[in-house]
Amino acid sequence: QSVLTQPPSVSAAPGQKVTLSCSGSSSNIGKNSVSWYQQLPGTAPKLLIYDNDKRPSGIPDRFSGSKSGTSATLGITGLQTGDEADYYCEAWDSSLRVGLFGGGTKLTVL
Amino acid sequence: QVQLVESGGGVAQPGRSLRLSCAASGFTFSSYVMHWVRQAPGKGLEWVAVISYDGGDKHYADSVKGRFTISRDNSKNTVFLQMNSLRDEDTAMYYCAKQNSPPLSGLDYWGQGTLVTVSS
Repeated sequence: QSVLTQPPSVSAAPGQKVTLSCSGSSSNIGKNSVSWYQQLPGTAPKLLIYDNDKRPSGIPDRFSGSKSGTSATLGITGLQTGDEADYYCEAWDSSLRVGLFGGGTKLTVL
Repeated sequence: QVQLVESGGGVAQPGRSLRLSCAASGFTFSSYVMHWVRQAPGKGLEWVAVISYDGGDKHYADSVKGRFTISRDNSKNTVFLQMNSLRDEDTAMYYCAKQNSPPLSGLDYWGQGTLVTVSS
């Protein structure tokens, strides 16, 4: 059971918008920035969002991030079949002094 | 361009040791924090360990504390993960990853991973 909680799966139709949630606590998300990663089948994870809401160069603006209190959200608009992947949130825990990943959300684009 | 190449994975019996290496290129290695992250077959990502830019500060997941040691050689642009007293549950793909700048801003580059299988 992960300290950062994500729904196991979400699904939506092509072209639609989806939001993925990540819930933590005051010592991790509540205190530090959140990052989001996309992992396509058989590949290494890729950084999508850092510092809660910033996109690395090359990441389309269809991907957005936000944080409020001890929760964070990844938003994806204009869903494409190529967005089908596992999505993970991540944050540092200042009390435990460890990195934390959420359990991951599998996105299905129907 | 930034490249991270892991090596050293393989099959090991429970209780034995393995040493993973991650060779970095394309950036000033000695200026960046480095991490190891693993993924058991069919499971999610699990953070394993982190080492500061100069090797002076290290932190570990509880699941590996006391058994695994992270280290780095800045003269060789390489980060290591010494894994002792291996257990079945250590079976996973092991990724090294570069910390983004500023600190705690995500892991911006990942290697392709090296597979560790612990089995008798």
